[in-house]
Amino acid sequence: GESVGLHLPTLSVQEGDNSIINCAYSNSASDYFIWYKQESGKGPQFIIDIRSNMDKRQGQRVTVLLNKTVKHLSLQIAATQPGDSAVYFCAENIGEGGSTLGRLYFGRGTQLTVWP
Amino acid sequence: NAGVTQTPKFQVLKTGQSMTLQCAQDMNHEYMSWYRQDPGMGLRLIHYSVGAGITDQGEVPNGYNVSRSTTEDFPLRLLSAAPSQTSVYFCASSLTTGAKGYTFGSGTRLTVV
Repeated sequence: GESVGLHLPTLSVQEGDNSIINCAYSNSASDYFIWYKQESGKGPQFIIDIRSNMDKRQGQRVTVLLNKTVKHLSLQIAATQPGDSAVYFCAENIGEGGSTLGRLYFGRGTQLTVWP
Repeated sequence: NAGVTQTPKFQVLKTGQSMTLQCAQDMNHEYMSWYRQDPGMGLRLIHYSVGAGITDQGEVPNGYNVSRSTTEDFPLRLLSAAPSQTSVYFCASSLTTGAKGYTFGSGTRLTVV
C-alpha cells in the first residue's frame, strides 16, 4: 500500500493567507522528499525538496518542514495567491544502491483552492 | 531544450489493441520513469530506468513493457490494452543527483474502450 498520504484532501484559503499542506509517510528508509504542484491538465511541477538530514528548507514563498520523529512533512505557502490553486503532492524517495534517486512514491494529493 | 516530451497527448484504444507511448528527454538525464495517474489518486510508478540498457519494475508493472536503448528515449508499451489501463500517463526524468527532483512530461491521456 501507499506509504505516503495526506491528512486533508482539500484546503480552501483566502488570498493573502498562509497555507499549510500536510503529509505523512511511513517508511523510515525514505531519504529524500519532494513537493510537487499539479495544475489541471498538466504534469507535476517541482516546488521544493528536502533531504532526510534536514528539518527545514525555504524557497520563494514556500517552506518545507520535515519531522522524522513522527514521519511528517508539511508545505507552507506564504501569502497564498490565486495562481497557487492546484493539487499538491508530496513524494518520498527510497534511495537504492547508494544512488540518491530510486523509486519515488506519491501521496494522493491535496486540492488547494484560493479565494479572492 | 524541450525538456520531457510525450506523444501522443490523447489516445483511444479498443480492448486488446497494443500501442507504444513515447517519451523523450534532451537533458541527458540518466533516470527515467513512467507513472500512471487515476482520478483522485497520486501517481503510481509503473517502470523505471537508471540508465541505458537498465530497467526495473515499479508498483504497477503488469500489462506494460519498457526498454531503454538510448539515454534519451524510454517508450512504454501496452501489450493488450484493457479498460483498467484507462488513465493519464506521465513520463519523468532526472539527473542521478536528484537535484530538483524529477521533470515531468505533460502526460498522455489514454482511454481503453
